[in-house]
Amino acid sequence: GAGVSQTPSNKVTEKGKYVELRCDPISGHTALYWYRQSLGQGPEFLIYFQGTGAADDSGLPNDRFFAVRPEGSVSTLKIQRTERGDSAVYLCASSRDGSSYNEQFFGPGTRLTVL
Amino acid sequence: SQQGEEDPQALSIQEGENATMNCSYKTSINNLQWYRQNSGRGLVHLILIRSNEREKHSGRLRVTLDTSKKSSSLLITASRAADTASYFCATDDSISNFGNEKLTFGTGTRLTIIP
Repeated sequence: GAGVSQTPSNKVTEKGKYVELRCDPISGHTALYWYRQSLGQGPEFLIYFQGTGAADDSGLPNDRFFAVRPEGSVSTLKIQRTERGDSAVYLCASSRDGSSYNEQFFGPGTRLTVL
Repeated sequence: SQQGEEDPQALSIQEGENATMNCSYKTSINNLQWYRQNSGRGLVHLILIRSNEREKHSGRLRVTLDTSKKSSSLLITASRAADTASYFCATDDSISNFGNEKLTFGTGTRLTIIP
């Protein structure tokens, strides 16, 4: 497809479990972003990749959160020992090169529910 | 606190009327973007206005930017039922034109168009 895709669309897990969320950016986009959106709020930045490297992970809330992008395309957001407060919609976005003049294209998100 | 804050938080108007939403922000920006979100999932990019621009149009959308007041407005003319959604402003406040253009979102305006 031409857009950003995310899998799964919904994930329900139990407190303490490990989850992985996947993002497929638009082909050729070197910049990839993860955001988290809680109910009734705007998205909040988590981490930014330029190519394979995490250029800015300042938005990750704690060390239970980790993300990788080993080949500069698909990215996986990993959450260890999930907590109920992690429940949110996790959004991925990509842009052509991270330039200030490039639009970020968002995926449909993964709704994570931690019971 | 949020960099961008929209007001009103919620707006209901009759189909065919114009809808105006406002956004205020705190720091210097490179650009400001408006996004639409349906049903709490993926965001759709509407328009980007650069810090040196004052007004921009796209179809039925008109965006203004006043950097002296650190505010922006989004006007949707001749509203349609399909415009019902949440609208977010997002600022890119990076000091460089290339690098991490992570976006800082406001809390959004929930727009309801009454048929």
